[in-house]
Amino acid sequence: TQLLEQSPQFLSIQEGENLTVYCNSSSVFSSLQWYRQEPGEGPVLLVTVVTGGEVKKLKRLTFQFGDARKDSSLHITAAQTGDTGLYLCAGTQGGSEKLVFGKGTKLTVNP
Amino acid sequence: DTAVSQTPKYLVTQMGNDKSIKCEQNLGHDTMYWYKQDSKKFLKIMFSYNNKELIINETVPNRFSPKSPDKAHLNLHINSLELGDSAVYFCASSLVSSGAPSVKQYFGPGTRLTVT
Repeated sequence: TQLLEQSPQFLSIQEGENLTVYCNSSSVFSSLQWYRQEPGEGPVLLVTVVTGGEVKKLKRLTFQFGDARKDSSLHITAAQTGDTGLYLCAGTQGGSEKLVFGKGTKLTVNP
Repeated sequence: DTAVSQTPKYLVTQMGNDKSIKCEQNLGHDTMYWYKQDSKKFLKIMFSYNNKELIINETVPNRFSPKSPDKAHLNLHINSLELGDSAVYFCASSLVSSGAPSVKQYFGPGTRLTVT
């Protein structure tokens, strides 16, 4: 059973378009993190959200943590080719620092 | 300067062999991790060490043995390699003692292991 479900699994869009990717669970998380991974490299942390309903912005990226702390979304405005990569959500539960990852959304932004 | 480094970057070996992957972090972190990423890009934790002490040990075959000689190093030794061990292995580190509600993990570049 996958604790964190990410959708869509694959997304191919044109430069300039907007997109949203989702990370859903039936379980409550104490925190949710979003990572981006490029080919041949390790994941790099983009943001951490810890409070239900929290919204964080990182330039063109907007992250939201659901009110019940069971889901999160990542919205990208005016996507650029440099946004191409694998987007992973990961969560922690209780007091553990153990990260549980979703299976990722592979985003391709075409010029 | 490289924060979390792993060697080797690529490792090709035959079934039944024993191999090691090394990891070093120069961030002064107190916790280090090993993750396995399969061909479908699913990233799963294997082990974590805090100040050289084993904290997390997921359901991993005992052919995998982590060793932490000091806080800055966490090596992974794999005995009797099997085809299913082929994957990318990532080392990561974090500062758990910071007390932050959710610690930031810094990942290494990965080691692609291919067992033939």
